Amino acid sequence: EAGVVQSPRYKIIEKKQPVAFWCNPISGHNTLYWYRQNLGQGPELLIRYENEEAVDDSQLPKDRFSAERLKGVDSTLKIQPAELGDSAVYLCASSQTKGGITQYFGPGTRLTVL
Amino acid sequence: GQQVMQIPQYQHVQEGEDFTTYCNSSTTLSNIQWYKQRPGGHPVFLIQLVKSGEVKKQKRLTFQFGEAKKNSSLHITATQTTDVGTYFCAGLSMEYGNKLVFGAGTILRVKS
Repeated sequence: EAGVVQSPRYKIIEKKQPVAFWCNPISGHNTLYWYRQNLGQGPELLIRYENEEAVDDSQLPKDRFSAERLKGVDSTLKIQPAELGDSAVYLCASSQTKGGITQYFGPGTRLTVL
Repeated sequence: GQQVMQIPQYQHVQEGEDFTTYCNSSTTLSNIQWYKQRPGGHPVFLIQLVKSGEVKKQKRLTFQFGEAKKNSSLHITATQTTDVGTYFCAGLSMEYGNKLVFGAGTILRVKS
């Protein structure tokens, strides 16, 4: 069974530029999560989807971050414009049910903002 | 402030020595999960604990959930070089908005 797929794996951009990350969850997983992981820290939830509905986006900086999961499968996370402090690893995870059941993480996208 | 705290931040052990990381929550948890992240990798689920006082074992790893469901520990017996990585606990609580809140992790390095 394929795991969570993310692309790109690495992205280097200059500040004020836009950037987008893509995630394809494990087949059949209804719940999708976007996390941000800063160096030396644990993952922090940005947004959680149940199918195509964003059920928890309280930690998403909505002035510059947006996300979508139009058909309840793939998802994209966008930052526009990027700031220096956005440099981090952006992890996508999926699970079969919401809440505390096992989350399967993708390899992440390492973003560097110069 | 930080809701789930882990100590130590970093530990360097000799191969064959034991290792323990501790996790403490500011609120009562519904459950707690443990993840391992290898250097350059992504978090991988290890286990979930749900019951007060629960103890689970996976080979050389022993996981414990406190009686008050506010703390947990992971103990590795006789560490091996393959144990290298960062160990995260993640707690689920209604007071956290029913989402997993990760600790900052404990980095384990093993000298052979």
